Amino acid sequence: AQKITQTQPGMFVQEKEAVTLDCTYDTSDPSYGLFWYKQPSSGEMIFLIYQGSYDQQNATEGRYSLNFQKARKSANLVISASQLGDSAMYFCAMRDGAGNTGKLIFGQGTTLQVKP
Amino acid sequence: NAGVTQTPKFRILKIGQSMTLQCTQDMNHNYMYWYRQDPGMGLKLIYYSVGAGITDKGEVPNGYNVSRSTTEDFPLRLELAAPSQTSVYFCASSYWGSGANVLTFGAGSRLTVL
Repeated sequence: AQKITQTQPGMFVQEKEAVTLDCTYDTSDPSYGLFWYKQPSSGEMIFLIYQGSYDQQNATEGRYSLNFQKARKSANLVISASQLGDSAMYFCAMRDGAGNTGKLIFGQGTTLQVKP
Repeated sequence: NAGVTQTPKFRILKIGQSMTLQCTQDMNHNYMYWYRQDPGMGLKLIYYSVGAGITDKGEVPNGYNVSRSTTEDFPLRLELAAPSQTSVYFCASSYWGSGANVLTFGAGSRLTVL
């Protein structure tokens, strides 16, 4: 069965420092996609970054990068130069590859707090 | 562009009541989804649709029904509300055809069943 695991319930980081949020996944499908979403205290879900299973390079979007280690089945999110506005809950998600349904399976999330 | 619009934003129901959460998108997305998020948890898929007239169950469909009569609308019906259905409900949509198939979420609907 497909599964996403985020083992860090909460993380703290000092403003302007980098932080890594961990995500491991399990799937037997060779074609899959990995996503990170941010959920601030206001509650909306904001898409951050995507990595396809066949992508050769790690995805980057501004201050966000995805450290994709396929053999270890990990897809960690790296946020560089943390800002106070980065304080939020972060979810890792995997697209279910079977049946072309686009369904996402979510991890339990990591709460990040950025200290001034 | 409004994106994905959900109504209502908040609702309190009594046990046994029924209601419909409305979801509409104006991005011409073909795929739509309903998720629920319990406090401190990740999102779980309730139902999804890959096009008008086609719906299928997700991980937690019991107690819910959906329909998809148009591309734009994907209402979620709660029959005989129970306290276990207290949650935040998110509707999402995506266009299948692009590589990433990024889901765009609505703002959420907070439902309390007392």
